[in-house]
Amino acid sequence: SAVISQKPSRDICQRGTSLTIQCQVDSQVTMMFWYRQQPGQSLTLIATANQGSEATYESGFVIDKFPISRPNLTFSTLTVSNMSPEDSSIYLCSVVDRQETQYFGPGTRLLVL
Amino acid sequence: EDQVTQSPEALRLQEGESSSLNCSYTVSGLRGLFWYRQDPGKGPEFLFTLYSAGEEKEKERLKATLTKKESFLHITAPKPEDSATYLCAVQAYYKLSFGAGTTVTVRA
Repeated sequence: SAVISQKPSRDICQRGTSLTIQCQVDSQVTMMFWYRQQPGQSLTLIATANQGSEATYESGFVIDKFPISRPNLTFSTLTVSNMSPEDSSIYLCSVVDRQETQYFGPGTRLLVL
Repeated sequence: EDQVTQSPEALRLQEGESSSLNCSYTVSGLRGLFWYRQDPGKGPEFLFTLYSAGEEKEKERLKATLTKKESFLHITAPKPEDSATYLCAVQAYYKLSFGAGTTVTVRA
């Protein structure tokens, strides 16, 4: 199984600012994803982080709001830009291992005031 | 569009009282059905993947089964440490579509 770490684990931010979340995996993985879990709700896929190219965004999510970088096979960042209180959520990094099992990181709890 | 419906939304059990959680789904080209456990404030923890109807998998007090339209997660003789939200997800290509989850509370 893959071991995933995220930084920061939690943050409180002011509206209008941006926050960058880091995701580090202990092994090289092909597929890497970012999910959002709003309070009391289930997980929603934001985008697939592609190594060396632009991320692939799901309907309702755009690059200007959620820019993603993936410089190599073990690391990715998600930025939440120009934040509003509606962005308060848990943001989760996820990877697929060689057995095609999808594992999740511990999450970043974001509160926007 | 892929749809995943979990029931019940919440389940309160007495320790030792066995029960089942349901996950019904519609998906084009099912690659796998996943069960995760999520504790408050943490990321989902992988439990099982089921690939074809009739398949069953077990882990401690948990047993997952799969039919063509639904999956069941059976909890046998639960303990308080089994209290968590259990999430079901279907995979088409590499995208997972999640249900809303069932929150299980086991009282001692």
